[in-house]
Formats: sequence, C-alpha cells, structure tokens
Amino acid sequence: GQQVMQIPQYQHVQEGEDFTTYCNSSTTLSNIQWYKQRPGGHPVFLIQLVKSGEVKKQKRLTFQFGEAKKNSSLHITATQTTDVGTYFCTYNQGGKLIFGQGTELSVKP
Amino acid sequence: DGGITQSPKYLFRKEGQNVTLSCEQNLNHDAMYWYRQDPGQGLRLIYYSQIVNDFQKGDIAEGYSVSREKKESFPLTVTSAQKNPTAFYLCASSIGDRYEQYFGPGTRLTVT
Repeated sequence: GQQVMQIPQYQHVQEGEDFTTYCNSSTTLSNIQWYKQRPGGHPVFLIQLVKSGEVKKQKRLTFQFGEAKKNSSLHITATQTTDVGTYFCTYNQGGKLIFGQGTELSVKP
Repeated sequence: DGGITQSPKYLFRKEGQNVTLSCEQNLNHDAMYWYRQDPGQGLRLIYYSQIVNDFQKGDIAEGYSVSREKKESFPLTVTSAQKNPTAFYLCASSIGDRYEQYFGPGTRLTVT
C-alpha cells in the first residue's frame, strides 16, 4: 500500500545548527500533517499542509509541501535543546492517519 | 479542563490474561483511535471509530478488541491472542478524519 518514507531516521546536531527532515511518497497525497513526540511523551500536532507548494512557518520551524504533493519537509533553524524529540509526517487515507517512521532529533548543548 | 485521559500509565500483566486499557475524552470529538508504538518505531493503527456504536479495524487489529458505546469512551482490550502485547499504547481523538488528532498520555503495557 501507499507509504511515506522519512529520512533521516536519526539526526544528531550541535545546538544552533539547522535540521531538516524529509518525507517522501510514491503517490500524490491529499494532505500531510506533522507531529512531534518528546522522549517518553505522546505525539503533538504541529501543522497540516494541503496545497501544492505550500510553505508555512512557526517561529523557527518551516514546513513545505512539494509542488507534486509527493514530498514534504520540516526545517528547524538554529536548533535548541527543546527541539529534541521524534518528528513524524502523516497523511490521511480513508479515515485513518498513516505515520512515517519518524526522524529522531538529538541536540547537543 | 479538556483533553484525553488514558489510564493507567503503566500496566503489568501475566501472559494469558486479557487486559483493558481506558481512553476517555471530553473534547466532544466524533472520531477516536488506538495506536501501538514499539521502541524506535512509528505508530501503527489498531482500531478506529468515526461515530458511536461503529468502529473499523486498523492495520494490526488481530488480538485486540474495542467498543464505542459512548462518544467519550473508547476502551481497548488486549486479549491473550495478541502474540507480542508489550508496547506503548496511545489513544487519540479528532473532530473528523481530515483533522488533527489529539493524543492521550499513553499506557505502557508489559506482559510477562
């Protein structure tokens, strides 16, 4: 079935460095959502992208939806220790959310 | 204080026993979901319900059962038929299937 591949699986950065995670699909997605899960916690909704080529910003976080609606990215500028966690992309399929494997971000102070 | 509650936070059971995990929401959401998360993995959908008295199997429903008798409640039973029940179980709810999901704090189930 349709899947989304997330890369990288792990990313270790020095505090202040930038970070990007990518989500790729073999087929066109109607929308994409991003969630963040802190270590030991539960996923928290960050944003939903619906339009082709859409770009949304939340402070240091920038989310993009590709022109073909087959890929998406999340970019964090100047990472902080509070950014630590796993970032998941997801998409709706027939009433359910399909989750990518996630990118685990660790930030060294 | 609105939100989703799951209880208990940690649960220990012996192999061969059924166990029921609680999920309650006061957000007035129609849709509710159960996920399983294993270490270092993404979330896999067990069951979901878009309306009271109706629910559908997700990707890994074998060995699990649910009920949706009330809008606020969506309990999950892990039966003895589930081969590897030890996992982190997350419940979520949403206004509808195209909207963001709100997750509960989760229940860590350990079966020995």
